Amino acid sequence: AQSVAQPEDQVNVAEGNPLTVKCTYSVSGNPYLFWYVQYPNRGLQFLLKYITGDNLVKGSYGFEAEFNKSQTSFHLKKPSALVSDSALYFCAVRDTAKNAGNMLTFGGGTRLMVKP
Amino acid sequence: DGGITQSPKYLFRKEGQNVTLSCEQNLNHDAMYWYRQDPGQGLRLIYYSQIVNDFQKGDIAEGYSVSREKKESFPLTVTSAQKNPTAFYLCASSIAGTSGSNEQFFGPGTRLTVL
Repeated sequence: AQSVAQPEDQVNVAEGNPLTVKCTYSVSGNPYLFWYVQYPNRGLQFLLKYITGDNLVKGSYGFEAEFNKSQTSFHLKKPSALVSDSALYFCAVRDTAKNAGNMLTFGGGTRLMVKP
Repeated sequence: DGGITQSPKYLFRKEGQNVTLSCEQNLNHDAMYWYRQDPGQGLRLIYYSQIVNDFQKGDIAEGYSVSREKKESFPLTVTSAQKNPTAFYLCASSIAGTSGSNEQFFGPGTRLTVL
């Protein structure tokens, strides 16, 4: 069965500093990996995804994520955080193994707080 | 949130009542999904539909029902059998395809509270 873990409930960072939001996954086959962001009382917005190819994926709002197969990780990063980046971030995975189904599994979310 | 609308934004339900949450999309997506979000937890899949007139149960379908009579619409009914329905409900849609590589687009959500 596929699973995804976001080990930090909250990440605090000062504005202008680099940020990292961690995500690790478990699948039988190869993963499709996604990052979404949620602002208060809103739906999720897609940030970026890894399907295949280059391990470094660039997405919306200056975010990027690095796929690391040996560490089964897909951490979200940004070189310089903004106060407006403060939100809830979700990592999601889909296992491409045969009979794994076609659905996403979401992590529990990490709240990012960027302080001025 | 563009392209997917959910209504109402807030919904209050009395014990023993069925309520229906609306989800409409104009993205011409074949696949639609319903998720439940509880504080401190990730999203959990309730039902999904990959084509009109067809839908499948997700991980937590008990106490819920859906229909998919039109491509644009995927309403969710929370029945009285759902013992703990207070939650934030999110509808999503995506381009269909068996690869599962397509991202999902989410509506703004409906917050359901049981009185």
